[in-house]
Amino acid sequence: KAGVTQTPRYLIKTRGQQVTLSCSPISGHRSVSWYQQTPGQGLQFLFEYFSETQRNKGNFPGRFSGRQFSNSRSEMNVSTLELGDSALYLCASSFRGDPYEQYFGPGTRLTVT
Amino acid sequence: GIQVEQSPPDLILQEGANSTLRCNFSDSVNNLQWFHQNPWGQLINLFYIPSGTKQNGRLSATTVATERYSLLYISSSQTTDSGVYFCAVVHVGANNLFFGTGTRLTVIP
Repeated sequence: KAGVTQTPRYLIKTRGQQVTLSCSPISGHRSVSWYQQTPGQGLQFLFEYFSETQRNKGNFPGRFSGRQFSNSRSEMNVSTLELGDSALYLCASSFRGDPYEQYFGPGTRLTVT
Repeated sequence: GIQVEQSPPDLILQEGANSTLRCNFSDSVNNLQWFHQNPWGQLINLFYIPSGTKQNGRLSATTVATERYSLLYISSSQTTDSGVYFCAVVHVGANNLFFGTGTRLTVIP
């Protein structure tokens, strides 16, 4: 069974631009979560989707948004990029969310200049 | 929110040595996972262990949920074990993983 895939793997953007990242979960998994990893803040939860509905959201500004499609694929969008948005963005999928095991994709490394 | 503390923050071992990594959490959890982050950033699942003991080759893990801690044991360490090990929990009532700050392991030949 194929793992979680994320595209693109690397991205360079300029301050003020917006970016869209994509995540395809493991087949049969309906929960998709997004996390941001930075050297200063570690791994932080962004949001979680199940059956196209956002069930949970972390403490991030409204510039960070996401959605999930009927095939469980998910996208996250960051508008008006700031230098501090430079990070590794990781997507995880699980069968239904807690308490099922979560599996991570390889991540998208975003650099904002 | 829930607090997750990992110790030690850094660990340097000679190849072949054994080690124990610890994860303490401050409240009841439904889920606890251990991950190894590879040099490219991907989180590799090691154990899904909300309670009890599991073993996988040279690695084993034990979670004592009533005492709010988990241990990851690495035996006969190899240089390929180097990297950052994360413990992550799901607080009761939540759906997201909350990560500790990790243990950076360096295994030298």
